[in-house]
Amino acid sequence: DVKVTQSSRYLVKRTGEKVFLECVQDMDHENMFWYRQDPGLGLRLIYFSYDVKMKEKGDIPEGYSVSREKKERFSLILESASTNQTSMYLCASTDRAYSNQPQHFGDGTRLSIL
Amino acid sequence: AQRVTQPEKLLSVFKGAPVELKCNYSYSGSPELFWYVQYSRQRLQLLLRHISRESIKGFTADLNKGETSFHLKKPFAQEEDSAMYYCALSARESSASKIIFGSGTRLSIRP
Repeated sequence: DVKVTQSSRYLVKRTGEKVFLECVQDMDHENMFWYRQDPGLGLRLIYFSYDVKMKEKGDIPEGYSVSREKKERFSLILESASTNQTSMYLCASTDRAYSNQPQHFGDGTRLSIL
Repeated sequence: AQRVTQPEKLLSVFKGAPVELKCNYSYSGSPELFWYVQYSRQRLQLLLRHISRESIKGFTADLNKGETSFHLKKPFAQEEDSAMYYCALSARESSASKIIFGSGTRLSIRP
């Protein structure tokens, strides 16, 4: 069974802090994704990566960056956290590029920016 | 533009009643569609995908290209079906496929 692990379930940070959200998957998947989940807005794609050191902007990349130094790990970085980045963040992975395979999700990190 | 629309934020039905969660999409290519479900305190997970043409937990969904719809249906709702449901579209980009999600519908089954 695919395991996608996000390092924190809950995180509280202050405005202006640099925040790191970590995600690790154990199935050697090529593709990894970061979403934020907000009521009434569904899941919105922030960034995704289809290979080590490769990244693509999603629909709402502003204020975020990502890092993929190893295949199994995909980090989301809030360069200078702001209150409007308070949200649930979901990481996901899929097998192979150009794939219609389903996404496997982590449990999510609920981030609060004070 | 690629888009997935779920017009209902909340759908409440009685146990045993039929359920239909609506999903419409906009995509110029050949669509690959999914339904994902998130039960309370659980992670988001795949419910079904159109390519499989299968029934999962009594739910089915048929792709209607003419109406650009992929509605999720179940003839008799059960209390354990209460959850958040997301319709999703797989869109091929230059280097990989990405999934576009709808805004979700919360299904509440009343006893």
